[in-house]
Amino acid sequence: QKEVEQNSGPLSVPEGAIASLNCTYSDRGSQSFFWYRQYSGKSPELIMFIYSNGDKEDGRFTAQLNKASQYVSLLIRDSQPSDSATYLCAVNRGASGSARQLTFGSGTQLTVLP
Amino acid sequence: DAGVIQSPRHEVTEMGQEVTLRCKPISGHNSLFWYRQTMMRGLELLIYFNNNVPIDDSGMPEDRFSAKMPNASFSTLKIQPSEPRDSAVYFCASTPGLGTKNIQYFGAGTRLSVL
Repeated sequence: QKEVEQNSGPLSVPEGAIASLNCTYSDRGSQSFFWYRQYSGKSPELIMFIYSNGDKEDGRFTAQLNKASQYVSLLIRDSQPSDSATYLCAVNRGASGSARQLTFGSGTQLTVLP
Repeated sequence: DAGVIQSPRHEVTEMGQEVTLRCKPISGHNSLFWYRQTMMRGLELLIYFNNNVPIDDSGMPEDRFSAKMPNASFSTLKIQPSEPRDSAVYFCASTPGLGTKNIQYFGAGTRLSVL
C-alpha cells in the first residue's frame, strides 16, 4: 500500500461545477496535510493546508480532513479552466527523525472544460 | 523575497558527464529539500538538510548522486557520472524548519536531459 494514494485521473468537470479530489494516507499518526497545484511544466505551489478534522475554506477551495478514515479531500467550487492542473496531496507524518518530511501522492490531473 | 532559486533551468548533457544542480533557499529558511519528478515515479524526496546538515539521504538513488549544503544560502546536487535514466525534473524546496506545519516552497526546477 502506498503511503499516500490519489486517483490519477484524468478528472474532467465542466466550467462552473464542483471538482472533488480525494486522497488517502496509510500512517494514522500523520499530522499535517497539504494540497499543491502543479501546472504543466511548472513547480508545485501550495493552495491549501489542513491540520484538524473538519473543513477549511479559502475562497473557492475547501479542504476536508477525516483522520479516523485517513482521508483528505479538496473541493473546488465554481471550477474555472484556469484550475486545470495536477493536484498533489502531501502528508507530513510528524514523527521525529527521517519521517519528519512530506510524502506526496502521485497527483490527480484535473481538466475544467469551458 | 525572490523565492527559491534554482539553476540552471535546463540542462542537456551526455551520458557519463558530471552534472551539478544549484539551489538558493529562501532567506531565513533552515531546511532544504531536493526532489526528483518523473512521470513514472512522481515526486520523490532525494535528500534534505536542516541547518546545513544532511538529515536523511535515504532517497538518493545511488552513489552517483551527492548533495552538499556548504552554507545557509546554497546547496548543490551532483550526479557523476550521469545516465539517461537520470533524466527528470529536479526541484529544490525550502521551509523555515522541520516543524510539521511548515510549508515547503518550491523552486522552478531544473529539467535535466541525459542523452
